[in-house]
Formats: sequence, structure tokens, C-alpha cells
Amino acid sequence: DQQVKQNSPSLSVQEGRISILNCDYTNSMFDYFLWYKKYPAEGPTFLISISSIKDKNEDGRFTVFLNKSAKHLSLHIVPSQPGDSAVYFCAASANNYGQNFVFGPGTRLSVLP
Amino acid sequence: EPEVTQTPSHQVTQMGQEVILRCVPISNHLYFYWYRQILGQKVEFLVSFYNNEISEKSEIFDDQFSVERPDGSNFTLKIRSTKLEDSAMYFCASSGGGAYSGNTIYFGEGSWLTVV
Repeated sequence: DQQVKQNSPSLSVQEGRISILNCDYTNSMFDYFLWYKKYPAEGPTFLISISSIKDKNEDGRFTVFLNKSAKHLSLHIVPSQPGDSAVYFCAASANNYGQNFVFGPGTRLSVLP
Repeated sequence: EPEVTQTPSHQVTQMGQEVILRCVPISNHLYFYWYRQILGQKVEFLVSFYNNEISEKSEIFDDQFSVERPDGSNFTLKIRSTKLEDSAMYFCASSGGGAYSGNTIYFGEGSWLTVV
């Protein structure tokens, strides 16, 4: 039962262009979403989050958009840099749902110089 | 910047042996977690811990697993009688508040367990 889905296992983007990573969820109780970046053999690093009361949150080159009606969120990276090449996970949590964060399977982003 | 630290970074153990993975969460955090990632698969929740007891666990976290906070700083995951399928990267994490409070969860670098 995949409650958090990232349907693109990989994505390649040219340096300087926009990277758009997508995430869909099925549990309507989710109200808080996070994006993590993970390099090989390292732990996930928190990037940016968004609460369901917002539809956009921006931090530097990273912007997360949330469409609650579509149960969809996306992470935009502009401009993309080679150092952004990593696996990106979206995660979700919910008030009164439980003490765990549910992760998607990840999307591997490759930024080509 | 405060961080979650884990030891060992890599451990190889024989099938059937017991393993203890150690974690030092961020000092003012109250919620602690273990996740794991089997090679090529997604990050999976194992257990969360709050107020000196397990608050939630997944179906992966069976009687083979246990967690403990033996003192004010360490948080350990014990795997009894390891199996080949326990080979994975185990991530410890902590957060200031619970997952439902809009808090951010911070991960350690992981402990790579190889069962042979």
C-alpha cells in the first residue's frame, strides 16, 4: 500500500535549467510534507517542508508546491546545479495519524553539466 | 549545527548473531526513530520512541527488534538473531515534536549492516 508515490524513478536535467520532482499521496489525512535529499551512503538531509494550510513554500533555489485537491506536491529546483544530483524523497505526516513519517520511493535526479 | 550521530557506520555480522546499533539524537529532541533502507528499496519506518517507550512500530519491527534509551543521550536498536534479509542501511532520526506537529525529522548518516 503505497501512500506516498513518486512515479518517476529518475530525472535528468541540464545544469541551469529547472528540475521538477513530483510526489502524489493517497491518504487525505496527511497535512505536512517534507522533501529530503540523499547522497549514496549518507542519511537523508532535510530540504524544505510545507504545511497543508499553504500551497507554496520557497527557500532559496527550492520551492515546494502543494495541490491538496489533487493530493500532489512538487519540488522545483531553479537553477539546477551538478551538486543537486542525488535521490530526492518526499515524506508525509498527519495530525493524529501516528508518530511516523511516510516516505516515497525516491526520484534520482541527475544534473548534467 | 546539531546533528544525529550513529555508530558504527558499517558492521558485518554472521547470521544469527545479535547486533546493537547506536545513535545519539539531537540533544533537545524528544522523539526518536529508526528507519531502514534495503539496497535499492524505499526508506521504511521501523519504530518511534517517546517518553521512554515505543509510541509506534511498523510490522517490520517484530520481536527480533528492540529499542532502548539506556541513558540521557543514547538511543539503541538491537537486532537479535540477525537474518540475511536484515542487511540494510539503518537510519536513526530525531525530532523536537511528534510527526503530527509539523516538526522536521533529522536523520543520522546511517549504519550499514551486512549479514553474512
